[in-house]
Amino acid sequence: KNQVEQSPQSLIILEGKNCTLQCNYTVSPFSNLRWYKQDTGRGPVSLTIMTFSENTKSNGRYTATLDADTKQSSLHITASQLSDSASYICVVTGSSNTGKLIFGQGTTLQVKP
Amino acid sequence: DTAVSQTPKYLVTQMGNDKSIKCEQNLGHDTMYWYKQDSKKFLKIMFSYNNKELIINETVPNRFSPKSPDKAHLNLHINSLELGDSAVYFCASSPTSGAVYEQYFGPGTRLTVT
Repeated sequence: KNQVEQSPQSLIILEGKNCTLQCNYTVSPFSNLRWYKQDTGRGPVSLTIMTFSENTKSNGRYTATLDADTKQSSLHITASQLSDSASYICVVTGSSNTGKLIFGQGTTLQVKP
Repeated sequence: DTAVSQTPKYLVTQMGNDKSIKCEQNLGHDTMYWYKQDSKKFLKIMFSYNNKELIINETVPNRFSPKSPDKAHLNLHINSLELGDSAVYFCASSPTSGAVYEQYFGPGTRLTVT
């Protein structure tokens, strides 16, 4: 069964600290892995997208890694800001022409001053 | 300059009613999607249209019927609403169908069935 699992479910950190979110997936065949940020009451917004041949990609203070062999990904947030408080969702796409995304349940991050 | 817009943002209705949610994108994309986000925050694909043609139709009750009058619009009509239909519904669009294309999401419509 194609699944995406994330950990931790929730996380609280102090402003300025770093954190790392984890994602494991069992989707096969695999096309790409995305990390989305979803603010409360908003739609998800893409942070990074990686194919199986990429093992790291950065977007400002966000750095995603991918190990296609172990089917694991992580999202590292550096020097967190209050505006980083949101849900971070790992999304995997299988090899298909339809663009069907399989979503994890997300990690809720709260950054406190 | 809203990219993907949905109306209404909130919808409260009673069981048994019929309601519609509208979605429009001004990105010139060929493909549009409907997702449902349940109380556990999982997002699941419901439907996808490419150039007004249905290409994804997940296991969704046939009370849900998408309609795409043109490439820029994808509406969702729900008949005989049930309590379990309460969720946030997101519309999204991408340049075309395919695994590599970025999807852009609307702000969501929170549906509450009482």
